[in-house]
Amino acid sequence: EIVLTQSPGTLSLSPGERATLSCRASQSVGGTFLAWYQQKPGQAPRLLIYVASSRAPGIPDRFSGSWSGTDFTLTISRLEPEDFAVYYCQQYYSSPNTFGQGTKLEIK
Amino acid sequence: EVQLLQSGAEVKKPGESLKISCQGSGFSFTNYWIGWVRQLPGKGLEWMGIIYPGDSDIRYSPSFQGQITISVDTSISTTYLQWSSLKASDTAMYYCARHSGRTLYSWFDPWGQGTPVTVST
Repeated sequence: EIVLTQSPGTLSLSPGERATLSCRASQSVGGTFLAWYQQKPGQAPRLLIYVASSRAPGIPDRFSGSWSGTDFTLTISRLEPEDFAVYYCQQYYSSPNTFGQGTKLEIK
Repeated sequence: EVQLLQSGAEVKKPGESLKISCQGSGFSFTNYWIGWVRQLPGKGLEWMGIIYPGDSDIRYSPSFQGQITISVDTSISTTYLQWSSLKASDTAMYYCARHSGRTLYSWFDPWGQGTPVTVST
């Protein structure tokens, strides 16, 4: 089973700042078989990024994904108030698909 | 519009059985994998398993194999998640979600609204 480790567990930033979230896979995820989701309290997760760097329809361009080997990064260039939420990465390369434990992005 | 509509909240006692549902609309139901995801209270997302309605091919996470049953009724475009004997530790929010593409190797989009399950004496 592929283990995804997200860091940091909690990130405290202010609106307008840049957020960098990390997701490290324990083994190859076939290159870019990785997605990012955003979850707000009381809501279902929402797809942000797929294939490591492609934005889902309707997702603002301040969200971007990148990778190097088995290290994946979600960057939010300038935080808006609605961006404070929990973010999860997911690999869909091998079964069982797995999620990272999440990064909580909170207002500083 | 592609939608997944899940059944409502459930409150059960330990040892009882339960079957929750997820009905798809706005897409060819038999051509997309649909999965189930658990979220324990205050915790992260856990991939439980996935089913292909076209031929009822099912893949379970080893963590959930033997504990749950995933099934489908294509006549009503609905997939089910079932327990034969609930435990208090099954208390969680359960989401269904569709693979975005028609392959096994795909991300989830869209998601259902979630079904909260409470197991308590």
